Amino acid sequence: NAGVTQTPKFQVLKTGQSMTLQCAQDMNHNSMYWYRQDPGMGLRLIYYSASEGTTDKGEVPNGYNVSRLNKREFSLRLESAAPSQTSVYFCASLEQGDQPQHFGDGTRLSIL
Amino acid sequence: GNSVTQMEGPVTLSEEAFLTINCTYTATGYPSLFWYVQYPGEGLQLLLKATKADDKGSNKGFEATYRKETTSFHLEKGSVQVSDSAVYFCALRGSGNTPLVFGKGTRLSVIA
Repeated sequence: NAGVTQTPKFQVLKTGQSMTLQCAQDMNHNSMYWYRQDPGMGLRLIYYSASEGTTDKGEVPNGYNVSRLNKREFSLRLESAAPSQTSVYFCASLEQGDQPQHFGDGTRLSIL
Repeated sequence: GNSVTQMEGPVTLSEEAFLTINCTYTATGYPSLFWYVQYPGEGLQLLLKATKADDKGSNKGFEATYRKETTSFHLEKGSVQVSDSAVYFCALRGSGNTPLVFGKGTRLSVIA
């Protein structure tokens, strides 16, 4: 009963380094999402993929890229990390319609 | 666009007190409404949902009723426990598989 799995759980980067956050779901869901969570800001959508082969920008896409590798996997890449990208990142997936999104446990990313 | 406004926290209550966390929304059409809960160090978990007007979602003693006339989805619990201490997020989804839109979250602390 893995659900949504994110790796790594923690990471510290230096400014300018690059990194890819991995997300995989085993529920055969069509849609996948990346959010960031910052104190007092709730969750803000970075990118999403409504179905395999498609990706769309969310509310805060600048500085990020995504790849929907296959139906299971949706990765988030920081090409040149900045301190403003210090956050907790959550991946989520959804089957369809009014079903709830399922969330991973998050990746805590610090950029120095 | 769609938006969710929920009461600012933190909220501190004594065990067995009554809880209300207000949530109002702005959306076109007939969105689905959700409450998620986040325990310390974890991802978000669905607490309850309602998909049409006058529906009542309920789970673990929590309830919320979809009120279209007041565009509200307030979360209530009659008697809170220390284990209910968490951050609560109200969210909505518009039509189709559009991403969830979250409120900023309300931190609840319950003291014995």
